[in-house]
Amino acid sequence: GQQLNQSPQSMFIQEGEDVSMNCTSSSIFNTWLWYKQEPGEGPVLLIALYKAGELTSNGRLTAQFGITRKDSFLNISASIPSDVGIYFCAGQLLRIGANSKLTFGKGITLSVRP
Amino acid sequence: DAGVTQSPTHLIKTRGQQVTLRCSPKSGHDTVSWYQQALGQGPQFIFQYYEEEERQRGNFPDRFSGHQFPNYSSELNVNALLLGDSALYLCASSLLGEAFFGQGTRLTVV
Repeated sequence: GQQLNQSPQSMFIQEGEDVSMNCTSSSIFNTWLWYKQEPGEGPVLLIALYKAGELTSNGRLTAQFGITRKDSFLNISASIPSDVGIYFCAGQLLRIGANSKLTFGKGITLSVRP
Repeated sequence: DAGVTQSPTHLIKTRGQQVTLRCSPKSGHDTVSWYQQALGQGPQFIFQYYEEEERQRGNFPDRFSGHQFPNYSSELNVNALLLGDSALYLCASSLLGEAFFGQGTRLTVV
């Protein structure tokens, strides 16, 4: 099945550093979501974006919905050890009165060195 | 609010057997979707249920079937299990837009 493009597969940063991740698609979506998954758990929603060009923050996390509607990025500022996990982007085509499927990237595994 | 709950958390089955996984959606949510997550991959959409009917289906064979009950809870059934069906099976519930996931059921087929 289709997957969004996330790279690199793994990122290693020092505690306190900022990190950016991007996600691209060959298809247009009208909703972009970012999830974090930790071992043995399901994905947890971090940020949802609903409008092209939208910039949304959730604490130290900031995400943007690309103007072309084919990409999104997530920025984590001042990283801390608990930011460790796998970060997934997901695209969705929301229609009035209907929820549609999520299309996910392969995820980026983030490691934070103390 | 208990969030999305799935049972069981882990399951081991033999090739050829059948399995049923269960999901209770977040309170107030009427739509349930199922995803398969293989190791090192992102979740792949299996199907979605709304008002007790399958509304959307991904690229999975007919061996994968489901059901939604009047209380919005859902089951995923997989028949004639293959080794390749080993994965984390995730249930997500939603009302409008944002999907919330359960912790998943780890299925191992031996």
